[in-house]
Amino acid sequence: DTEVTQTPKHLVMGMTNKKSLKCEQHMGHRAMYWYKQKAKKPPELMFVYSYEKLSINESVPSRFSPECPNSSLLNLHLHALQPEDSALYLCASSLQSSGSYEQYFGPGTRLTVT
Amino acid sequence: QQQVKQSPQSLIVQKGGISIINCAYENTAFDYFPWYQQFPGKGPALLIAIRPDVSEKKEGRFTISFNKSAKQFSLHIMDSQPGDSATYFCAASRAAGADGLTFGKGTHLIIQP
Repeated sequence: DTEVTQTPKHLVMGMTNKKSLKCEQHMGHRAMYWYKQKAKKPPELMFVYSYEKLSINESVPSRFSPECPNSSLLNLHLHALQPEDSALYLCASSLQSSGSYEQYFGPGTRLTVT
Repeated sequence: QQQVKQSPQSLIVQKGGISIINCAYENTAFDYFPWYQQFPGKGPALLIAIRPDVSEKKEGRFTISFNKSAKQFSLHIMDSQPGDSATYFCAASRAAGADGLTFGKGTHLIIQP
């Protein structure tokens, strides 16, 4: 099983709202990632969690706040977003061990900021 | 600085033909090179991947060729089918993915019946 699940599938929020995106995997993977993908563009890395600790933050604005409550769960808290933040937000996970580099993506959350 | 360059941007191939997509990278620390297939509205799906210690890897109709000295790798889709019509991304990472993936800009592939 190589399934990464994401909820919700779609989210519409105003610029003053607070919302959260959720990602879950039960493959025993120890690295989890958030990517942002704009239309007709490649995914862009936002955050990397390694063994439940934030290891990479790609200069993402503070209105995006990641959280990794346990090794299977990854959240992305959203606050005071801008319309240009509308995008597909993708979660991914990988085993992160020597010899096992595969990174598996979830279906994404389509976010629209109004 | 674009670390992974992908070409062509779009590609039209007749059914049964060979689709070829090329990528070049700059960072010699990269040690893992996957290809992803993405359909509209879906997340990227891992198709096939290669490490620098081999020059070619084949899985079904999909083959990766890797040239370490030229810092290039390519995806070949044999006997291309209309169901292969999608956007394909090459990517690269290092250190067992600890740095995340760096993607090419993508290739929109259309297989004509």
